[in-house]
Amino acid sequence: EPEVTQTPSHQVTQMGQEVILRCVPISNHLYFYWYRQILGQKVEFLVSFYNNEISEKSEIFDDQFSVERPDGSNFTLKIRSTKLEDSAMYFCASKGGSVEKLFFGSGTQLSVL
Amino acid sequence: GESVGLHLPTLSVQEGDNSIINCAYSNSASDYFIWYKQESGKGPQFIIDIRSNMDKRQGQRVTVLLNKTVKHLSLQIAATQPGDSAVYFCAELLTGNQFYFGTGTSLTVIP
Repeated sequence: EPEVTQTPSHQVTQMGQEVILRCVPISNHLYFYWYRQILGQKVEFLVSFYNNEISEKSEIFDDQFSVERPDGSNFTLKIRSTKLEDSAMYFCASKGGSVEKLFFGSGTQLSVL
Repeated sequence: GESVGLHLPTLSVQEGDNSIINCAYSNSASDYFIWYKQESGKGPQFIIDIRSNMDKRQGQRVTVLLNKTVKHLSLQIAATQPGDSAVYFCAELLTGNQFYFGTGTSLTVIP
């Protein structure tokens, strides 16, 4: 069964450093998302991406965050200058159509020291 | 001591019993809902979905009920097994393709 894949599974970084989290959505999907989940809390929306541009973003997704779809398969989340409070599990998700199932990757655990 | 983080509702059931997990959603205009299962350290796993033009949908051992009048979703798991132990949460599709996730319920199955 097709799946969303994310790399790396764990990322440790120093505060102030840049990180790039990588995702390969399901191949025929058109809508791409990043969510995050702080330990013990609920899944929070960060950004949605459709037709090669951001369609929606939350208050969390400030100027330190950016997304890219550099080629036909990868979808990346960049955090330019990480803060301690960016430590969380980051999930990539994709879906094929507007009102369709949203499939998640297994996540990247980001730890900012 | 002070506790940090969200306190999830919890549900404990005996193996073999049926489980019912509830979710209240926020937006009466939401027209699509998904139940997810999340095991520790893993990503949310799709279980079952339902559109707003339905009030019930059945899958393998799971049933979702939708009550639009009171904005309530429930997930019923038949013959609960130890492997069903996880956090379950509902997601509603808001306008503009954004899914909003509920808090979640932690299900523990007692062998």
